[in-house]
Amino acid sequence: AQSVTQLDSHVSVSEGTPVLLRCNYSSSYSPSLFWYVQHPNKGLQLLLKYTSAATLVKGINGFEAEFKKSETSFHLTKPSAHMSDAAEYFCVVGYAGGSQGNLIFGKGTKLSVKP
Amino acid sequence: GAGVSQSPSNKVTEKGKDVELRCDPISGHTALYWYRQSLGQGLEFLIYFQGNSAPDKSGLPSDRFSAERTGGSVSTLTIQRTQQEDSAVYLCASSLWTGRGEKLFFGSGTQLSVL
Repeated sequence: AQSVTQLDSHVSVSEGTPVLLRCNYSSSYSPSLFWYVQHPNKGLQLLLKYTSAATLVKGINGFEAEFKKSETSFHLTKPSAHMSDAAEYFCVVGYAGGSQGNLIFGKGTKLSVKP
Repeated sequence: GAGVSQSPSNKVTEKGKDVELRCDPISGHTALYWYRQSLGQGLEFLIYFQGNSAPDKSGLPSDRFSAERTGGSVSTLTIQRTQQEDSAVYLCASSLWTGRGEKLFFGSGTQLSVL
C-alpha cells in the first residue's frame, strides 16, 4: 500500500534562513515522488518530481529534494527562504504500473516566512 | 485553452440539492483527475479518467457522487442530495499520459458550500 506523511503541519522560518519540509512515504512499488506548492488563492503548481533518475532533484524557485530510499524520505529544502515562498506545500507519492491516477497527497505543510 | 478551467468557481447550495461541477482540461490531455480539499485536510483523490473511461473510482466517498467524461475532454462531477460534509474545494487536474510520473496541471477549483 502507498501512503505519504508530512511530518509538520506548519513550519515558520525567517527570511534568509534555510527551509526544511519533511516527507516520509510508504510504497510497495518503485515510487514516483512529487512536491506541489499552493499559493493563497492560486492553483497547485509542480515544484519538482523524482522518477528514479538522480536522487537529488532540483525544482523551481531554488527548491530541491533528496530521495533517500533507506529512510523512505523525500524532504524538501531551500537554502534561503524568501517572503514569496509562503504557501502550502504538498508531498505526493505515485507508483509505476497499475493505475497512475491514484496519486496520494500528504496533508500539506503550511510555510510561513517572517521578515 | 491555456490551462485547466473549472466552473463555477463558487457554488452555494442547500442541503439535499444536486450540484454539477465542470472541468475543462488542457487540450490534448488524456488523463483527468478529480480531488477534494476540505478545510484543514490534504487533497483527497476522488476519481481518475483515462480518455472517457474511469479505471479508478476508488476515492468516491459515496454513491451520491458520480462523474463522467465525454469526448475525452470535458468532465462533470455530480453530487446528489448534497450534505454539509460535502462542503470543500473540488479540484480538477489533467495530464498527458506518460506512463510514469506525469505532471499534473490543476484548475483553480470550485468552492462548494452546502448550507
